[in-house]
Amino acid sequence: GAVVSQHPSWVICKSGTSVKIECRSLDFQATTMFWYRQFPKQSLMLMATSNEGSKATYEQGVEKDKFLINHASLTLSTLTVTSAHPEDSSFYICSAATDSPQFFGPGTRLTVL
Amino acid sequence: SQQGEEDPQALSIQEGENATMNCSYKTSINNLQWYRQNSGRGLVHLILIRSNEREKHSGRLRVTLDTSKKSSSLLITASRAADTASYFCATDKSSASKIIFGSGTRLSIRP
Repeated sequence: GAVVSQHPSWVICKSGTSVKIECRSLDFQATTMFWYRQFPKQSLMLMATSNEGSKATYEQGVEKDKFLINHASLTLSTLTVTSAHPEDSSFYICSAATDSPQFFGPGTRLTVL
Repeated sequence: SQQGEEDPQALSIQEGENATMNCSYKTSINNLQWYRQNSGRGLVHLILIRSNEREKHSGRLRVTLDTSKKSSSLLITASRAADTASYFCATDKSSASKIIFGSGTRLSIRP
């Protein structure tokens, strides 16, 4: 199947700083990328949908100014958590798709101290 | 928000037994998919079943879909220790549209 990578795989940062997470489709061009957040022992919650070259569509309750999404090319989307707080600590997973199924990245574990 | 619920929330069985997990969803769908997630890891796509299909097989996996009841089941036959993971169903309304995950079932296989 298609391969999606995420970088970094884990990151620890201080409260108030910003963290950027990259999501890349390695062997296919993804018209759409999705960002999910997963708290321990819970399911994945969709945060936003991003299409290359256009603004992301955020799910209800997700602050677009806090979670900045850029989808500059068909193989790269980035999620920036701005002014991170300890409650933003979570597992962030991206997925990429041109059709069903979506292919998921390995996830990025963010810990905010 | 989540599309649906899965039951049981947790399941523990003996190695070699069959494991059945159920998923119910709320709105009409185009596809339903099942994913596996090992603890702290990414998702592995297991199987996709389209809304006009009723049953699908892949190796030791059997998935059924009942659109009239808005439910699906995942059967894993002859379970192995390596099947220990969380299993999620996920639905979408069209290809490449957003997918919404169910609450998940944590499966433990006892040796």
